[in-house]
Amino acid sequence: AQSVTQLGSHVSVSEGALVLLRCNYSSSVPPYLFWYVQYPNQGLQLLLKYTTGATLVKGINGFEAEFKKSETSFHLTKPSAHMSDAAEYFCAVGWEYKLSFGAGTTVTVRA
Amino acid sequence: KAGVTQTPRYLIKTRGQQVTLSCSPISGHRSVSWYQQTPGQGLQFLFEYFSETQRNKGNFPGRFSGRQFSNSRSEMNVSTLELGDSALYLCASSLPGAGTEAFFGQGTRLTVV
Repeated sequence: AQSVTQLGSHVSVSEGALVLLRCNYSSSVPPYLFWYVQYPNQGLQLLLKYTTGATLVKGINGFEAEFKKSETSFHLTKPSAHMSDAAEYFCAVGWEYKLSFGAGTTVTVRA
Repeated sequence: KAGVTQTPRYLIKTRGQQVTLSCSPISGHRSVSWYQQTPGQGLQFLFEYFSETQRNKGNFPGRFSGRQFSNSRSEMNVSTLELGDSALYLCASSLPGAGTEAFFGQGTRLTVV
């Protein structure tokens, strides 16, 4: 079975600081990996996805993620946090017509 | 291009009742999947449909069912509602093929009292 683990249920950063959200996956085959963001009372919005090819994936709103097969990781970063980045972030692995999500990481941004 | 539309946005039901939720996918998307989101269990996969066929189903009781119509619109039904069914139900649509991204609707917030 495919699964993901997100390290840290809550991250607090200062505005302008680096955002780093950790995700590790378990997969017996090459995975399809995704990061989604959810704002309060909203659905999920895709930030970026990894399928095959380049290991550094760029997404929307300045986010990027690096796929490291040796570490089975797909960590999400953003060099400089903005107040609008406050939300919940989910890592997911796609397999057999479904997504398996991590537990989510809530990001708060301090002014 | 219109996004995934879920109706209604909010529902309040009484224990024992049944409920039907609706999802209209993005035009051209033939795969529709459903997820339940709760504070305790997080995001859990319910089922996925493609061309009116269920291709995968999550670990939920038989009270949860779904279907897809020829125009790709989908409905899910929950019968004999329990308090624990209170959740945000999210629908997502995607193009066929492995690794394609899922686009989510805003969800239906179901409260069972």
